[in-house]
Amino acid sequence: EAQVTQNPRYLITVTGKKLTVTCSQNMNHEYMSWYRQDPGLGLRQIYYSMNVEVTDKGDVPEGYKVSRKEKRNFPLILESPSPNQTSLYFCASSSDLYNEQFFGPGTRLTVL
Amino acid sequence: AQKVTQAQTEISVVEKEDVTLDCVYETRDTTYYLFWYKQPPSGELVFLIRRNSFDEQNEISGRYSWNFQKSTSSFNFTITASQVVDSAVYFCALRGRGSTLGRLYFGRGTQLTVWP
Repeated sequence: EAQVTQNPRYLITVTGKKLTVTCSQNMNHEYMSWYRQDPGLGLRQIYYSMNVEVTDKGDVPEGYKVSRKEKRNFPLILESPSPNQTSLYFCASSSDLYNEQFFGPGTRLTVL
Repeated sequence: AQKVTQAQTEISVVEKEDVTLDCVYETRDTTYYLFWYKQPPSGELVFLIRRNSFDEQNEISGRYSWNFQKSTSSFNFTITASQVVDSAVYFCALRGRGSTLGRLYFGRGTQLTVWP
């Protein structure tokens, strides 16, 4: 089944404790992206990647890191999480920049 | 700058009513792509439609229709004879093909509630 998977789905952590949210797609898609969703703000893009080893910032990259060492994986790293990073995170992929994106199920992160 | 405005934060209708969700966009790019996504209460994001800037034909898919008007920079979404299962948050999104290629800009979403 074609899908985007994210892990974990739920995470409660404390300020400053490094964490990684994994994202994987099995559709051989070139393009991958991370978004955060906050009430009243819609979805905002954090980082995106147009291909392996090619990443770039979105609207809200501060406090996040990404890497794209393999085509299928695009992990999101929070080196020192803070409470303002409490949010719902979505990973997405698409075959290219112009087609629709397929979204993962989301990761709900709470930073205490 | 790229921007998407969904001025309707919440809409409530009774089943079988028609409802239109507004989407207004701003872009300086001559080539761009517009999208609509649905987020039902279960939380996943579901793709509904993509439209490129050169195709102004309206689209109909069952009870759903989309009206793209470049003259007013709008890409509105109409649900005919709404049903309870249409209750969801709907997002409009824009991708330009200029200097911000790779970026996808979402509106803040419209929460649609359809009452039985």
